[in-house]
Amino acid sequence: AQSVTQLDSQVPVFEEAPVELRCNYSSSVSVYLFWYVQYPNQGLQLLLKYLSGSTLVKGINGFEAEFNKSQTSFHLRKPSVHISDTAEYFCAVSRQGAQKLVFGQGTRLTINP
Amino acid sequence: EPEVTQTPSHQVTQMGQEVILRCVPISNHLYFYWYRQILGQKVEFLVSFYNNEISEKSEIFDDQFSVERPDGSNFTLKIRSTKLEDSAMYFCASDRTLDGYTFGSGTRLTVV
Repeated sequence: AQSVTQLDSQVPVFEEAPVELRCNYSSSVSVYLFWYVQYPNQGLQLLLKYLSGSTLVKGINGFEAEFNKSQTSFHLRKPSVHISDTAEYFCAVSRQGAQKLVFGQGTRLTINP
Repeated sequence: EPEVTQTPSHQVTQMGQEVILRCVPISNHLYFYWYRQILGQKVEFLVSFYNNEISEKSEIFDDQFSVERPDGSNFTLKIRSTKLEDSAMYFCASDRTLDGYTFGSGTRLTVV
């Protein structure tokens, strides 16, 4: 079975500062990895995904993530955040070819002016 | 961009009543899902549906839950006799190639 741990429940940062949201996963088989964002009172939007190939994945809104197989991590980064990035961020994993997604607990990113 | 549409956005129901949550997946998608998020907790998988049948379900998805795709466009989740602990945000999602879902904006169910 797969599991996901998001190490930080809340991350406050100042506007225009860099941010890293951490995600570690556990799986005995090859996986796909995802980051979703949930803005207040909205649904889940796909930010980016790793399926195969290059370990550095670029997504929407200037976010990127790096798949590190040896450390079983898929941390999300942005070099300069904006107030509009305030949201809950969820890391998720699925077994390759499987339908079910397993989510982490989420990280609430708060941007302070 | 194509969307997954869920209705209603909010529903309040009395304990013991039946509710039906509705979803219109993206038209060329083949895989359909329901997830739920109890306030302050993780997003949890409930059920996946492919080729007109359930392909996987979680231990949460017991006999009080059922899913249907009645007309080739809608995808519904029925909860037969709601309990207080069913209060949650319910998300529908669809997928074409198992490489990243599109989620709907959710239905907030409140059982009183």
